[in-house]
This record gives sequence, C-alpha cells and structure tokens, in this order.
Amino acid sequence: GAVVSQHPSWVICKSGTSVKIECRSLDFQATTMFWYRQFPKQSLMLMATSNEGSKATYEQGVEKDKFLINHASLTLSTLTVTSAHPEDSSFYICSAISGEFYEQYFGPGTRLTVT
Amino acid sequence: GQNIDQPTEMTATEGAIVQINCTYQTSGFNGLFWYQQHAGEAPTFLSYNVLDGLEEKGRFSSFLSRSKGYSYLLLKELQMKDSASYLCATLRAGNMLTFGGGTRLMVKP
Repeated sequence: GAVVSQHPSWVICKSGTSVKIECRSLDFQATTMFWYRQFPKQSLMLMATSNEGSKATYEQGVEKDKFLINHASLTLSTLTVTSAHPEDSSFYICSAISGEFYEQYFGPGTRLTVT
Repeated sequence: GQNIDQPTEMTATEGAIVQINCTYQTSGFNGLFWYQQHAGEAPTFLSYNVLDGLEEKGRFSSFLSRSKGYSYLLLKELQMKDSASYLCATLRAGNMLTFGGGTRLMVKP
C-alpha cells in the first residue's frame, strides 16, 4: 500500500510556457502533500507544503506566483510551473502523508527540462 | 534554524561494513529519517529514529543521539546494489522534512 504516482514522469517545454505536474495518492487519502525540487547531485529541497482545501505554505525563497500549487482533493495535488525558464529545469518530487502519521511516501519524480 | 551535515561521498568494498554519519541542528526536532536514493529515482524509506539508541533492520541499522545531534546509518554485508545516495533528514513540526546534502556511496568489487 501507500503508493504515490506522478504524471508526467518527464517533460520538455519551451521557455516561457507553463507546465503542470500531478501528484496522486493511489490507495490512501493524503491530508498533506509536499513538493520538493532536486538539482543534479544535490539533495531534496522542500518547496511547499500543501493541505487539502487550503492554500499551500511555501518555503522561504520559493515564488508562490511562479510555482502554483493546488490540492483540490485528498488524492490529488498539482504543481504548475508558470513562465518556465531553463533554470527551472530540475527533478520535482512530491510526497504524501495520511493523517498525523509521520512517514512520507514519495512519488517517482518528474524531470522537467526547459529549453 | 535547520542545518544537516553528512559526508559528500564514500567508497567501500563489497561485503564490508560502512557507517554514514549525520550531524544536525534542528529546531523542533521530531525524529530522524534515513532514505536511499538511486540516481533519477525517488527516495525510499530505510529507517526512522525518534528515541536514542540503535534500530536494526536486516543489513541496515540506524543510531540516534538526540543530545549530541548525531545519527549514523550502518550498512553491513555491502552489495553492489547498495551503491546509491543516502539521505539523512530531520522531521520537524508540521511533518516537514529537512534533508541533508546526501552521501553518495560507491561499492566496489
């Protein structure tokens, strides 16, 4: 159990366009989802925390108008990278937890390349 | 604030034992996780420590000392497939994780 999926697994887009990444919990209800970004040979950096039905909480230095997060249901959160630039190219990973249980279940990640 | 340090790279021999250290300074500390991550893949859960002491799970063990802000991951009987990055992460209020930079382990024959 506790499977999290992401779609797409990889995407290439042109500079200036927007890209939406979906994160789904397949067999449990995720009260909280997290979005991370990982640059090559670096660790995961938390971007934002998303609770179902409320606005996401962004980490310091993350532009909320550029990285739009929507958590409309208990099984789906989306991250939209607006007006993407080459420096946004990265590996984006989501995770989810159920209730107050602390263990985060990670999605397989989405590799974004902006040309 | 949050600060987590772990070695950048380590090399070990197949069949040997390796210890990966992690020191942290985390406000609102609620426990420490170790994850394994192969290149291009998501992290997979290895262990969680919230109390001082050693947790053993098969070939992997994890130790925590809260007073010293110190943890280590011990890998025994190393296999080639253990070559990966090992991420130390502290848990804080709101179930948020702060990751260290990761330790890239290379297992050689």
